[in-house]
Amino acid sequence: EAQVTQNPRYLITVTGKKLTVTCSQNMNHEYMSWYRQDPGLGLRQIYYSMNVEVTDKGDVPEGYKVSRKEKRNFPLILESPSPNQTSLYFCASSLSGRGVRETQYFGPGTRLLVL
Amino acid sequence: LAKTTQPISMDSYEGQEVNITCSHNNIATNDYITWYQQFPSQGPRFIIQGYKTKVTNEVASLFIPADRKSSTLSLPRVSLSDTAVYYCLVGDLKYNFNKFYFGSGTKLNVKP
Repeated sequence: EAQVTQNPRYLITVTGKKLTVTCSQNMNHEYMSWYRQDPGLGLRQIYYSMNVEVTDKGDVPEGYKVSRKEKRNFPLILESPSPNQTSLYFCASSLSGRGVRETQYFGPGTRLLVL
Repeated sequence: LAKTTQPISMDSYEGQEVNITCSHNNIATNDYITWYQQFPSQGPRFIIQGYKTKVTNEVASLFIPADRKSSTLSLPRVSLSDTAVYYCLVGDLKYNFNKFYFGSGTKLNVKP
C-alpha cells in the first residue's frame, strides 16, 4: 500500500531533550516536506526537500533540522525542543514537487508535547 | 509568498450545496489551484485541482473565472461526513512553486 508513515505518533518530552520524528514514504517520491499545525494558524511548512541531499527552508524553520540521506526517509530533528514547538506535525511527499499541480500525500501526523 | 484568502468557517445543513470561495489575487500565469480536505487529527487529502473554467470529479466541482483571481469549491448535497477543513492552494513562483502555503483553511460544519 502506497503510504507515508511517521513515528512516533505521540510524544511527550521535556525542554532541551533532543528528539527525532521519522518520516518514510514507499512511493519513490522525490519531494518530501514537513508541516506543523497549530490552532488558528493552519498548516505551516517547516522544511522541504526536492531530492536526496537537497533541502530548503519553509516558512517556520527555526528550531528544526532535517536531513535527506535516502530518498524514502526525511527525519525531522529538534535539537533542543521548547514548549512553543508543541504542535501536530505532518510529513508529506509528492512525485517531484513541481507545484500544487502534484498531489501531496500526507502521513498520519505526530502529536508532540514539550513540557 | 503566494497567499490565499478564505472564509474562516461556514455552516450548512445536510443535503445542501456548499460553495467555498478562495481569493488568490497574485496567482502566477501558469499555476494551478488545488483544494485539500482535512478531517480532525488526520493529514490533508487532495480533493480537486484546476487551471481555468470548470473542473468536476466524483467529489466536487471547481469553478475558476477568466481572471483566475479567485476560485470556488462546490460540494453538492453535503452530508455530516463532509464536516472538515478545506484548504485552497496556489504555488509561489518566487520559490519556483516548491513552497506551499496552506493557510488556515475554511472550517465547514454540516448540521443534521
